[in-house]
Amino acid sequence: NAGVTQTPKFRILKIGQSMTLQCTQDMNHNYMYWYRQDPGMGLKLIYYSVGAGITDKGEVPNGYNVSRSTTEDFPLRLELAAPSQTSVYFCASSYSGAGGEKLFFGSGTQLSVL
Amino acid sequence: AQSVTQLDSQVPVFEEAPVELRCNYSSSVSVYLFWYVQYPNQGLQLLLKYLSGSTLVKGINGFEAEFNKSQTSFHLRKPSVHISDTAEYFCAVHEGSQGNLIFGKGTKLSVKP
Repeated sequence: NAGVTQTPKFRILKIGQSMTLQCTQDMNHNYMYWYRQDPGMGLKLIYYSVGAGITDKGEVPNGYNVSRSTTEDFPLRLELAAPSQTSVYFCASSYSGAGGEKLFFGSGTQLSVL
Repeated sequence: AQSVTQLDSQVPVFEEAPVELRCNYSSSVSVYLFWYVQYPNQGLQLLLKYLSGSTLVKGINGFEAEFNKSQTSFHLRKPSVHISDTAEYFCAVHEGSQGNLIFGKGTKLSVKP
């Protein structure tokens, strides 16, 4: 019962460095999402995907990129890390994206940019 | 665009006391509403959801919520809390065809012995 798996759990980056946050799910879900969580601010949607090869921007996409080459994987790329990207990142998935459908969340990646 | 307001950022309560976490939403159309819980250093888990029908929704761990359309509220309640209920609770509303959820800012519930 792996569900949604995120790696790494923690990472410290220097300003200007790049990295990829990995997310994989084994539930054959079509919809996948990346959120960031900042203290006292709730979760904000960065990008989402409705299936392999299809991605779209969410509320806060600047500074990030995504790709979805397979149903299982949805990596999030930070090209030039900035202190404003210090946050906890959550990947989530659902089967159809239908209203009322439950989202399954990974355990998160805590990222610090110094 | 829809929005969710959680009226309390922190709620301290003693063990075995009742608790209510407040949530208001803004929408002029039918809504799907959720409460998620986040235990320390973990991802979010679904607590309960309202889709339609009975306005009183029961979830896991003894929590329940009441949908009130006239007041646009979806408050979460538990009659007697345990230390293990200490967590952050998020109210959310479904938006759009992509299945996205709009989250409130969260309420940290702290249960003290």
